[in-house]
Amino acid sequence: NAGVTQTPKFRVLKTGQSMTLLCAQDMNHEYMYWYRQDPGMGLRLIHYSVGEGTTAKGEVPDGYNVSRLKKQNFLLGLESAAPSQTSVYFCASSYAGIQETQYFGPGTRLLVL
Amino acid sequence: RKEVEQDPGPFNVPEGATVAFNCTYSNSASQSFFWYRQDCRKEPKLLMSVYSSGNEDGRFTAQLNRASQYISLLIRDSKLSDSATYLCVVRGSTLGRLYFGRGTQLTVWP
Repeated sequence: NAGVTQTPKFRVLKTGQSMTLLCAQDMNHEYMYWYRQDPGMGLRLIHYSVGEGTTAKGEVPDGYNVSRLKKQNFLLGLESAAPSQTSVYFCASSYAGIQETQYFGPGTRLLVL
Repeated sequence: RKEVEQDPGPFNVPEGATVAFNCTYSNSASQSFFWYRQDCRKEPKLLMSVYSSGNEDGRFTAQLNRASQYISLLIRDSKLSDSATYLCVVRGSTLGRLYFGRGTQLTVWP
């Protein structure tokens, strides 16, 4: 049982390049989330999904797209990377329910030059 | 106004000390409350849920005051291993959404 995994762990991009971050969970969770964490800003929700085939915008969705084609995977795409997207990206998942814990992946460190 | 406000610290305390963190939330319709712990360069992990009646887990005590929209975490007999950032987290009324405070940094020194 690997929990939540993220690929890649670290990436350097040039401005304007595109990439996809992959999140996978093996806990059969309904909900999945993408956050970014910047110094002094805390965790901010980018997009989330409450089930396979559904996605919704969070606090800071601009410049990102997501897809949840399979229940266990949640992809985050950057179509044209900008230096402002330099951050640590965390994926999380949880069961549905008010008291359910979110389980986080180890994070992806992205540097956009 | 942010959904969740925390004192960022840092708090620097000696081993054995008692330290308390506070947090306020803005949405009175918030449904669930948590404290997460995040070690340096690691992912956040659930420390404990916070219930209206207050709850305790070993050296950790969490309390919720819905009337004042205030959450607290008390750590007794601090250990070196308690050094981390503590995140106050609130589940809003929107399905699936959690709101994170910016975190309070704690360093316990020998």
